[in-house]
Amino acid sequence: GNSVTQMEGPVTLSEEAFLTINCTYTATGYPSLFWYVQYPGEGLQLLLKATKADDKGSNKGFEATYRKETTSFHLEKGSVQVSDSAVYFCALSDRRGYQKVTFGTGTKLQVIP
Amino acid sequence: EPEVTQTPSHQVTQMGQEVILRCVPISNHLYFYWYRQILGQKVEFLVSFYNNEISEKSEIFDDQFSVERPDGSNFTLKIRSTKLEDSAMYFCASSEEGAQPQHFGDGTRLSIL
Repeated sequence: GNSVTQMEGPVTLSEEAFLTINCTYTATGYPSLFWYVQYPGEGLQLLLKATKADDKGSNKGFEATYRKETTSFHLEKGSVQVSDSAVYFCALSDRRGYQKVTFGTGTKLQVIP
Repeated sequence: EPEVTQTPSHQVTQMGQEVILRCVPISNHLYFYWYRQILGQKVEFLVSFYNNEISEKSEIFDDQFSVERPDGSNFTLKIRSTKLEDSAMYFCASSEEGAQPQHFGDGTRLSIL
């Protein structure tokens, strides 16, 4: 079956630091890959996506590249802000069927001034 | 931007009671989903719904659970006889097509006493 593994948190960074959150996946087919973000007290928001190998998803300064050879989709941001403090979920959905989303366990990011 | 809305935001129920969680998906979306997140754990798929029937369900979605789209706008999750372990955040999601990213609501926190 499908599964997503992402680095354990919490991750604490100073403002303007470089962020990497690692994510690897296992899938039976050729999945689409996502990063969702959950700000405190809010729901899940789609941050970025990539649907095929070597695609780079980007949004709000965050980027992730679909690496089929290493089955990875690491999230990066060059300079984090306090407002980026949230829980980040790596996820995938199978292109077949009704595309249920399989989530990783989430990584809590705390950015301190 | 259109969004998925869920009510109530917090539901407290006695064990053994029935509970109905409500969702209003984005209006032109055709695929609907429920997920749950037990505190501190990953977001788990429960069920997907398309064309007025369940298209896929997980092993969590047993006979105590049911879903319904009673009219053109609402999508509900019913738990017939709640158990303590049903305490979780329940997220509704919708997508325009099966292959499109899912948009999530802010969730309903269900607390079973």
